[in-house]
Amino acid sequence: EADIYQTPRYLVIGTGKKITLECSQTMGHDKMYWYQQDPGMELHLIHYSYGVNSTEKGDLSSESTVSRIRTEHFPLTLESARPSHTSQYLCASTGGGGTEAFFGQGTRLTVV
Amino acid sequence: AQRVTQPEKLLSVFKGAPVELKCNYSYSGSPELFWYVQYSRQRLQLLLRHISRESIKGFTADLNKGETSFHLKKPFAQEEDSAMYYCALKVTAAVNKLTFGGGTRVLVKP
Repeated sequence: EADIYQTPRYLVIGTGKKITLECSQTMGHDKMYWYQQDPGMELHLIHYSYGVNSTEKGDLSSESTVSRIRTEHFPLTLESARPSHTSQYLCASTGGGGTEAFFGQGTRLTVV
Repeated sequence: AQRVTQPEKLLSVFKGAPVELKCNYSYSGSPELFWYVQYSRQRLQLLLRHISRESIKGFTADLNKGETSFHLKKPFAQEEDSAMYYCALKVTAAVNKLTFGGGTRVLVKP
């Protein structure tokens, strides 16, 4: 079934750890996005990708990095997590000329 | 820079009453606007887009360029409408980047 998956759903880690949030989609979409959302606040675009080997910074500056080696996979990495990185991270994709964004379930990250 | 404002954090209405969620935007270009909804324990999903001019689940939204608004309305709210609603603006044709408002939580009481 075509879908967009994020793992893990919840993650609690210590300061200084390196983490990777996974996002995969089986929708055949070329464009993918990462949004960051603090509780009760708006979603902010932090990274996006037009396609394989394409990555761009979003509107909100982020210390995270992304890669797009395969069409279906768009992982987000934090080299050294800090408490300020505590947030919810949402992955989304669009494709086929459509404008509707399909979202994953999100990863709620807590850095202690 | 573009901006989307949803002035109400919480709207509480009784079942059967009308509900209107306000959305205002600032953008110098030609806007494309959306409403996304997130029901409890579900992912964020598209509710409707202004281009389609459609009614989804009884909701409608009209783009008013003069007032730079895209308010969401439903004449008779139902309990299943309780959710978080986000207004969003697409600003780039090449990449479907979305700028979101802060969201409005709708609570429909029985």
